[in-house]
Amino acid sequence: ETGVTQTPRHLVMGMTNKKSLKCEQHLGHNAMYWYKQSAKKPLELMFVYSLEERVENNSVPSRFSPECPNSSHLFLHLHTLQPEDSALYLCASSQDPSGSSGNTIYFGEGSWLTVV
Amino acid sequence: QKEVEQNSGPLSVPEGAIASLNCTYSDRGSQSFFWYRQYSGKSPELIMSIYSNGDKEDGRFTAQLNKASQYVSLLIRDSQPSDSATYLCAVKNPGGYNKLIFGAGTRLAVHP
Repeated sequence: ETGVTQTPRHLVMGMTNKKSLKCEQHLGHNAMYWYKQSAKKPLELMFVYSLEERVENNSVPSRFSPECPNSSHLFLHLHTLQPEDSALYLCASSQDPSGSSGNTIYFGEGSWLTVV
Repeated sequence: QKEVEQNSGPLSVPEGAIASLNCTYSDRGSQSFFWYRQYSGKSPELIMSIYSNGDKEDGRFTAQLNKASQYVSLLIRDSQPSDSATYLCAVKNPGGYNKLIFGAGTRLAVHP
């Protein structure tokens, strides 16, 4: 139990579907992140939210739409995805978004997404 | 040039041996360095962080940092089969927000 909970753990969706991934952190952190992990590739940072404000969007296609209604919850809305978007999507949180030393990022268990 | 480079492995070591995992990074301004362990099908978990040149020990794990050579390593003493996992090196981008750049990971296999 890392204090960061993701649902669903597994999701299969068609290319025309709309679905959402949900993340909740119970650590009192101020920053939340979405990472994508594809096979044989490094973790890719997708979005960073600091105090509910998006502070980084790493050139992610618009078919991925994040939402952060409060500092404890983060969503990733998915629509018209492609098969190459199939990956493990990891949510993470940290205490201080400003990047001071010692600021550890904690990951959730991830959501395995398969686009068919 | 990749920002954080790791040998993909697999690195195979016998039980009880020392496993040495290496990582190089490209940005000289990087200040914070992390090692995460990821078991197959699981999320990464932090096992070590290091911020200053030299060695940092925590149980069977020792992280080593050499900023002049832009090199960080992780030593695992008395390796156990339960240490078999992928080890991810991560480097915090200097300045800005808390953005970690990850290497692709090194797969470690500890055989009995």
